[in-house]
Amino acid sequence: RKEVEQDPGPFNVPEGATVAFNCTYSNSASQSFFWYRQDCRKEPKLLMSVYSSGNEDGRFTAQLNRASQYISLLIRDSKLSDSATYLCVVASFNKFYFGSGTKLNVKP
Amino acid sequence: DAGITQSPRYKITETGRQVTLMCHQTWSHSYMFWYRQDLGHGLRLIYYSAAADITDKGEVPDGYVVSRSKTENFPLTLESATRSQTSVYFCASRGAKTGSTEAFFGQGTRLTVV
Repeated sequence: RKEVEQDPGPFNVPEGATVAFNCTYSNSASQSFFWYRQDCRKEPKLLMSVYSSGNEDGRFTAQLNRASQYISLLIRDSKLSDSATYLCVVASFNKFYFGSGTKLNVKP
Repeated sequence: DAGITQSPRYKITETGRQVTLMCHQTWSHSYMFWYRQDLGHGLRLIYYSAAADITDKGEVPDGYVVSRSKTENFPLTLESATRSQTSVYFCASRGAKTGSTEAFFGQGTRLTVV
């Protein structure tokens, strides 16, 4: 079983739409959680960390449900520049495990 | 400039040859990682290192060797390259602080084995 599972998409949405990505992880002892963004097979870059209480950064909101081992990312008011692949990342014992990524295409 | 750099950026090699991919970071981060990225698989951990002279296997270590004699360098060697090792390889590093410290990635090495 994979450490981290994501819906690969693609999600095709119009500008201004709200879109949600989900992710599940298998190791209940996982310690840290992140969303990374990757453009066109360039290096992944941190979008935001995910905290148990939920956290928001502008148009982006991340949620963590430890009981269900589930992480989510909500993007409001989508922009063309949000088009990318979003990677769910779970850190367990200092190893970082990546989901396969969810591709987002924002259309004009 | 401070950061994490990989070399070479692109490499074509023949089956059976030994290839070494280099990774260098200037932050003195304790942890370093090697990943490979293939379509449909996302990033898969090959090896990681918690400190100089401490390395451990990840999800897909077969056919690879690593070393870490200095904190700043973490080379990845393909002892006898195979076509299945054609991939994009990313090196990453993070600090030793536990909790939500992020990992930073190099720009990647695109390796083609022919």
